[in-house]
Formats: sequence, C-alpha cells, structure tokens
Amino acid sequence: DQQVKQNSPSLSVQEGRISILNCDYTNSMFDYFLWYKKYPAEGPTFLISISSIKDKNEDGRFTVFLNKSAKHLSLHIVPSQPGDSAVYFCAGLSGSARQLTFGSGTQLTVLP
Amino acid sequence: AAGVIQSPRHLIKEKRETATLKCYPIPRHDTVYWYQQGPGQDPQFLISFYEKMQSDKGSIPDRFSAQQFSDYHSELNMSSLELGDSALYFCASSLASGTPNEQFFGPGTRLTVL
Repeated sequence: DQQVKQNSPSLSVQEGRISILNCDYTNSMFDYFLWYKKYPAEGPTFLISISSIKDKNEDGRFTVFLNKSAKHLSLHIVPSQPGDSAVYFCAGLSGSARQLTFGSGTQLTVLP
Repeated sequence: AAGVIQSPRHLIKEKRETATLKCYPIPRHDTVYWYQQGPGQDPQFLISFYEKMQSDKGSIPDRFSAQQFSDYHSELNMSSLELGDSALYFCASSLASGTPNEQFFGPGTRLTVL
C-alpha cells in the first residue's frame, strides 16, 4: 500500500508559467511533508517543507499547499525556469526516527 | 559547504558476493539514514542511526546490516547479493536537534549485481 502517491509521472510547462505538482497521502501520522528535487546522478535535494498543522508555506518561487481534509498537497513553482527541470519527489515524515516515505516522483520539464 | 559523501559511487558485484557501502554525513550531523531506490521506483527507507545506535528499521533484508561508527560515518553491509539488490543506495544525514524535517542526501551509490 503506497502511503504517498504522485499520480502524474510527468509534467511539461512553458518557461515563465506556473508548474503545479500534486501529491496525495494516506498516512495520517505524517507530521511534516517535504518536496525534494532530483537531477540525474545526484541525490535528492531538499526544496521546501510544510508542517501538518499549516496549510501553506512559501519560499521564493516555491509554495506548498496542504489540504489535510483531502490528504492532498501541491507544490507551485512560479515562474518556472528551465533549470527547474528535474524529478520532484513528495515525501511524508513520520516516526521517532524521522524517516521519509517518498512518492514515485514527477518528471517536470520546463520548456524554453 | 560540505555535503554527504558516499563511496563508492558505482559498484558492480556478482550474485552471492558481499558489498560494503560507506556514508560520511555532514560534519556535526548525528543521524544517518539509508534508502534504496530500485529502477523506476521511489526511494524506500532501509534503516537509520542516531548517535551510533540504530533508531529505526524499514524494509531492510536480513542479509543486510549497517552500523554507525564513533566518527558518525555509517556502513551498509550487504551479503549474498541477489539480482534484485541492484539499485541506487542513498545515504542522508540530519541533525536531530535541528529543523526536524531536513535530511541532506548524498549522491548515492549505484550497485549493479550481475
């Protein structure tokens, strides 16, 4: 049973427009949600996070929205840049050991 | 700034051999996590250590073991390797007393079992 789901394996967006990446979860025990960005041959890089008691967190071009009742979160990138092209993983954080449970990732391609 | 270091970056082994993957966390980080990402899959949590003690265990096979040493580096030992162990193995580190949601990942070790 996948606790974190990213149903869109890929997304293409024009440079300058908004990218919206979606994530659904089933585990109510997650107390933080994180977005990671991954380039080929590199490890995931932390982007932005949100506490489960918040509904929005913003950091520069990146904003994460959390809808707890729908168990859904989304990452908005605006304006999108070609350098944003990467795989984006959504992850839930839980447990005393703070382990991450990842979604399957969404490949974002920003077209110049 | 120093990042998480993993070695080797690439490793090729044959079935039933053993492999040792090493992870050097960011200086002063006291917690290490190991994740396995199979082809076309999301990273799966294997095991974590805090202050040299195992803190949690995920979907780690009994053939695998790991430890964290006094200098906080960690090693993942894999024995009786199987074809299905071919994957990217990520190590991540964090500071337990820091922001509770930031884990910094290394570049990964790509293990290929032939």
